[in-house]
Amino acid sequence: DTAVSQTPKYLVTQMGNDKSIKCEQNLGHDTMYWYKQDSKKFLKIMFSYNNKELIINETVPNRFSPKSPDKAHLNLHINSLELGDSAVYFCASSQVLGGVRETQYFGPGTRLLVL
Amino acid sequence: AQTVTQSQPEMSVQEAETVTLSCTYDTSENNYYLFWYKQPPSRQMILVIRQEAYKQQNATENRFSVNFQKAAKSFSLKISDSQLGDTAMYFCAFNNNAGNMLTFGGGTRLMVKP
Repeated sequence: DTAVSQTPKYLVTQMGNDKSIKCEQNLGHDTMYWYKQDSKKFLKIMFSYNNKELIINETVPNRFSPKSPDKAHLNLHINSLELGDSAVYFCASSQVLGGVRETQYFGPGTRLLVL
Repeated sequence: AQTVTQSQPEMSVQEAETVTLSCTYDTSENNYYLFWYKQPPSRQMILVIRQEAYKQQNATENRFSVNFQKAAKSFSLKISDSQLGDTAMYFCAFNNNAGNMLTFGGGTRLMVKP
């Protein structure tokens, strides 16, 4: 059983296009995240949602818009794609237990290539 | 803001030997969580081990153990009896008590040689 899944796994597109990446978790977690891993393998938080509400929005261009239709899903929509958006995007989820946000579990990643 | 530093961009070890990966961090908080994640060529981020800052005992998971030095803000990972499947990028990560996000180090690429 896949705990955190992302679609698609690979995405190749032209500059200026709009694309979406979907994420679903079947762990029953209440918090979901998007991270970006650049070409040098550096990982950085983009967004965090708790119970469908945005709780973290790091300095990400407003071309990136996360959407959480329910607790199990957090999708990432990107408008007007730029070359610098090429990266691997990871979705993750975690659960609050006893006031502590527990370990984050990651999806398999989506490799985005903008041409 | 927290920062996490991994000073070894690349390391190699012979199969069956022991290797230690370094990680230091900077925070003003007293309660937090530290993690090591493994990223093999498949790209999947896999949790290796986790340490709560309030626990003095070092975490251990089979061949993986940590040396957590809170005062020195150091969190190294020791891999014993290295196996070829341990070849991967290893990331040290910090999570504050609120746990809203992970702050990652730059990663260490580990190669296990036969």
